[in-house]
Amino acid sequence: KQEVTQIPAALSVPEGENLVLNCSFTDSAIYNLQWFRQDPGKGLTSLLLIQSSQREQTSGRLNASLDKSSGRSTLYIAASQPGDSATYLCAPHSQGGKLIFGQGTELSVKP
Amino acid sequence: NAGVTQTPKFQVLKTGQSMTLQCAQDMNHEYMSWYRQDPGMGLRLIHYSVGAGITDQGEVPNGYNVSRSTTEDFPLRLLSAAPSQTSVYFCASSYSSGRTQYFGPGTRLLVL
Repeated sequence: KQEVTQIPAALSVPEGENLVLNCSFTDSAIYNLQWFRQDPGKGLTSLLLIQSSQREQTSGRLNASLDKSSGRSTLYIAASQPGDSATYLCAPHSQGGKLIFGQGTELSVKP
Repeated sequence: NAGVTQTPKFQVLKTGQSMTLQCAQDMNHEYMSWYRQDPGMGLRLIHYSVGAGITDQGEVPNGYNVSRSTTEDFPLRLLSAAPSQTSVYFCASSYSSGRTQYFGPGTRLLVL
């Protein structure tokens, strides 16, 4: 059974810092991996989808990497801003499009 | 495009009552799914559909029914609500099973 772990569970940084969020998964037989952000009381917003054949995907200040063989993905956020404060979730895509979610990393960026 | 829409936003039920959570998308997506989010448990898949007329169970299907008569709609039915079904429910859709999935705003359900 796929299990997803996200470290750290919570992170507080001053504005402007570069930061890395980590995601590990136990079953490397995934199709793709998707990163989301969730604001309190809101739905999930898709940030990036990394296909299984890719090693990196970039969108603006966000860069996500994927190493299927080691069961790891990282989300790099450059020059963090208070508006980046949210919970970040990673979700490998299993067969049939099923997403398996980690518990998330709660990020707080202080002005 | 409105994206993925869910109704109602919030609902209170008594134990044993039934209700239907509505989900619709206007992106012509074939793949749709339902998740529930609980503190400490994360998001878990309830049911999913790869196209009209085709549905399958996810990780936590007990107590829930689904059907998919059109591409646009994927309602989730609670036949006899229980307090354990108190949760936030999210609907998601994507063009196909391997593509980016988009989530709705959620329905908060409280079962007393």
